Amino acid sequence: DSGVTQTPKHLITATGQRVTLRCSPRSGDLSVYWYQQSLDQGLQFLIQYYNGEERAKGNILERFSAQQFPDLHSELNLSSLELGDSALYFCASSGLAGSYNEQFFGPGTRLTVL
Amino acid sequence: KNQVEQSPQSLIILEGKNCTLQCNYTVSPFSNLRWYKQDTGRGPVSLTIMTFSENTKSNGRYTATLDADTKQSSLHITASQLSDSASYICVVSAGYGQNFVFGPGTRLSVLP
Repeated sequence: DSGVTQTPKHLITATGQRVTLRCSPRSGDLSVYWYQQSLDQGLQFLIQYYNGEERAKGNILERFSAQQFPDLHSELNLSSLELGDSALYFCASSGLAGSYNEQFFGPGTRLTVL
Repeated sequence: KNQVEQSPQSLIILEGKNCTLQCNYTVSPFSNLRWYKQDTGRGPVSLTIMTFSENTKSNGRYTATLDADTKQSSLHITASQLSDSASYICVVSAGYGQNFVFGPGTRLSVLP
């Protein structure tokens, strides 16, 4: 158990809909990362937040957005969902912002878009 | 284009044997390289991380090497165990370390 929690574990929805994925980092960690893992594209870095501020952006679509709240939990919002958005979404946390810091991954949210 | 390649795509070995996984990258500027182990359906777990100046890093039976000149890394697993069956993913941090480029992974199966 990494100490990172993600909810829900599974999510099934229809195309065009909007969903919110939630992540609670390990106690004391200030940095949160979001990743997408699909069968055809592997793991991809989406976005990073550090202490409430956006720190780095990867391959995140404009239909996706994220935020980190004052209590340091984070949410990833996916809108206008397409079939290709079906994937495992992982959240990870680290103590500090630098990439050298070990990231601890949560169990993931499996999103299925029908 | 920043890219990470891994070989082989999959590997089957017998319990107790050693194996070596390869990672080649074309990521610039280079910040660091990390190896992850990912069990099916679970989040990745970090095994090692190396910066430009580090050639070798060990974590128990896992030993990673880095050749920054040839832009190659390897992960050597010694005395494999059934629990080593997993995907092993190489990740290179680019730029100022805030862009992570993932390899496709090597799927390792350890048989009794």
